Amino acid sequence: DGGITQSPKYLFRKEGQNVTLSCEQNLNHDAMYWYRQDPGQGLRLIYYSQIVNDFQKGDIAEGYSVSREKKESFPLTVTSAQKNPTAFYLCASRFTAKNIQYFGAGTRLSVL
Amino acid sequence: DAKTTQPNSMESNEEEPVHLPCNHSTISGTDYIHWYRQLPSQGPEYVIHGLTSNVNNRMASLAIAEDRKSSTLILHRATLRDAAVYYCILRAVSDNTGKLIFGQGTTLQVKP
Repeated sequence: DGGITQSPKYLFRKEGQNVTLSCEQNLNHDAMYWYRQDPGQGLRLIYYSQIVNDFQKGDIAEGYSVSREKKESFPLTVTSAQKNPTAFYLCASRFTAKNIQYFGAGTRLSVL
Repeated sequence: DAKTTQPNSMESNEEEPVHLPCNHSTISGTDYIHWYRQLPSQGPEYVIHGLTSNVNNRMASLAIAEDRKSSTLILHRATLRDAAVYYCILRAVSDNTGKLIFGQGTTLQVKP
């Protein structure tokens, strides 16, 4: 089945540790996105990429980094500089012709 | 970015129609109106979008006011599975980044 796969479903980070969240899509979409969602809030954009080897900061990029070496993959690293990383992280890709975003099931990150 | 205003929460009875309102008084002539919904602990999913005319699809209908300052998402027969947060989002046709700006949405509760 085509779709977006995020892994792991749950992730725990220790103080001072970097962690990487995986996002893979087999929809052949050019654009991909990372959002963060805090409890009871809407989604906020962290980073996005419209094409391989290129990406732009969203509204809350500080403490995060991304790469886009392959069309199918857009991993997000939560660095130790992100002081409040506990949140629900969502990855999406976009069907450009109709400007519809398709979302993964999310990764829930907590701090130990 | 033009903003949207939605009620925080609404209730509906199962198998009855639901009308979810959205106000967007500062909408520009080239802003599309998108609706997404997010079931508990899942990523958002696309519901419907439109520009000026009313739109129907298998999930819902979108009714757009003549002056485009408001719109209504219509679920024709609510089921328990429709309990979710519904987001009304404006997207400028000139924006080729595909970014979505999520507000807090409307939490729909469906009673059996």
